[in-house]
Amino acid sequence: DQQVKQNSPSLSVQEGRISILNCDYTNSMFDYFLWYKKYPAEGPTFLISISSIKDKNEDGRFTVFLNKSAKHLSLHIVPSQPGDSAVYFCAANYWGSQGNLIFGKGTKLSVKP
Amino acid sequence: GAVVSQHPSWVICKSGTSVKIECRSLDFQATTMFWYRQFPKQSLMLMATSNEGSKATYEQGVEKDKFLINHASLTLSTLTVTSAHPEDSSFYICSAPNRDGYNEKLFFGSGTQLSVL
Repeated sequence: DQQVKQNSPSLSVQEGRISILNCDYTNSMFDYFLWYKKYPAEGPTFLISISSIKDKNEDGRFTVFLNKSAKHLSLHIVPSQPGDSAVYFCAANYWGSQGNLIFGKGTKLSVKP
Repeated sequence: GAVVSQHPSWVICKSGTSVKIECRSLDFQATTMFWYRQFPKQSLMLMATSNEGSKATYEQGVEKDKFLINHASLTLSTLTVTSAHPEDSSFYICSAPNRDGYNEKLFFGSGTQLSVL
């Protein structure tokens, strides 16, 4: 049973436009959500996170929105750049999980010049 | 930010041999480290939790005798794939948590691509 779902395996966006990556979760115990970016043959790097006490967190071009009632979060990248092309993983955990994250399968973002 | 170093980044070995992968936290201490495996187009799947000074905790379905984990110091964990077979070919990634305020964040190594011939 997948607790964190990223239903879109891939997304293609034109440079300068907005990229929206979606993530759904099923475990209501999750209270902390993270997005990681991963290039081929490299480990994931932390991008942005949000606590369940918030519904929005912004960091430069990256904004994460959390809708707890829908158990849904999204990552917005504006404006998208070719260097943003990578696989984006949504992850979640809850207090006491000692850092053990539950990952989605990832969405491959391609930003075309 | 915190840095986790993982070596080697790429290894090819013959079937039946053993391969050791190292994971080091460079600028922080990690009493716990995590080992993941990622198959193509799949999510990162947690294999085991490495605990400094004690036995590792393995996820269901992961063979303890095949994937040996040693966490001998606060900055080093090793994963040894024993008697590797082609089906063990995968991308192995380690991570270590470092507290940042309320929550712990995971910092990942760069991964090891294992190919077993």
